[in-house]
Amino acid sequence: RKEVEQDPGPFNVPEGATVAFNCTYSNSASQSFFWYRQDCRKEPKLLMSVYSSGNEDGRFTAQLNRASQYISLLIRDSKLSDSATYLCVVRAKTSYDKVIFGPGTSLSVIP
Amino acid sequence: DAGVTQSPTHLIKTRGQQVTLRCSPKSGHDTVSWYQQALGQGPQFIFQYYEEEERQRGNFPDRFSGHQFPNYSSELNVNALLLGDSALYLCASSRVTSAYEQYFGPGTRLTVT
Repeated sequence: RKEVEQDPGPFNVPEGATVAFNCTYSNSASQSFFWYRQDCRKEPKLLMSVYSSGNEDGRFTAQLNRASQYISLLIRDSKLSDSATYLCVVRAKTSYDKVIFGPGTSLSVIP
Repeated sequence: DAGVTQSPTHLIKTRGQQVTLRCSPKSGHDTVSWYQQALGQGPQFIFQYYEEEERQRGNFPDRFSGHQFPNYSSELNVNALLLGDSALYLCASSRVTSAYEQYFGPGTRLTVT
């Protein structure tokens, strides 16, 4: 089993739709969680950190469920510019800091 | 404020050859991590450098080696290239005090033929 798994996608949604991405992780020592966005043929960029209490940044809401080892990202009122691959990232403290990226979920927002 | 820079942008090599990729971290950052991203996959951690030493290493063979210089810039070396080494190589920099807040460079796209 992969350490970080994500919805396989791709997600194709119309403008204005709400879309949710799911991510699960297997390492219970995981401490920090993030969502990154990666545009086609570009580098990943930090979208938002994920806090235990859940957090919101404009149209984006991230949730964490430690008991279920599950992270989610909700995008409301999708824009064409939201089209990208969304990477779930988990940092675990084992014998060293370990940062694991999920395989990503592709989103296409259609006019 | 210059972000993370990498060179070259693209590179084509032949099986068996050796390659060196370069990275300059964001100003104020002292830690450099290298990742390999195959097409359609998430980035895979190769190793991390801090204070000119390899601090952590992912599941990559010894053909992958690196170096960090006193100015915090870093190199990634890959020997005896295989076709499967074709990928986007990403460098990410951070501060040791907040190592998970990584900023990525644009990457070097390596093609091995």
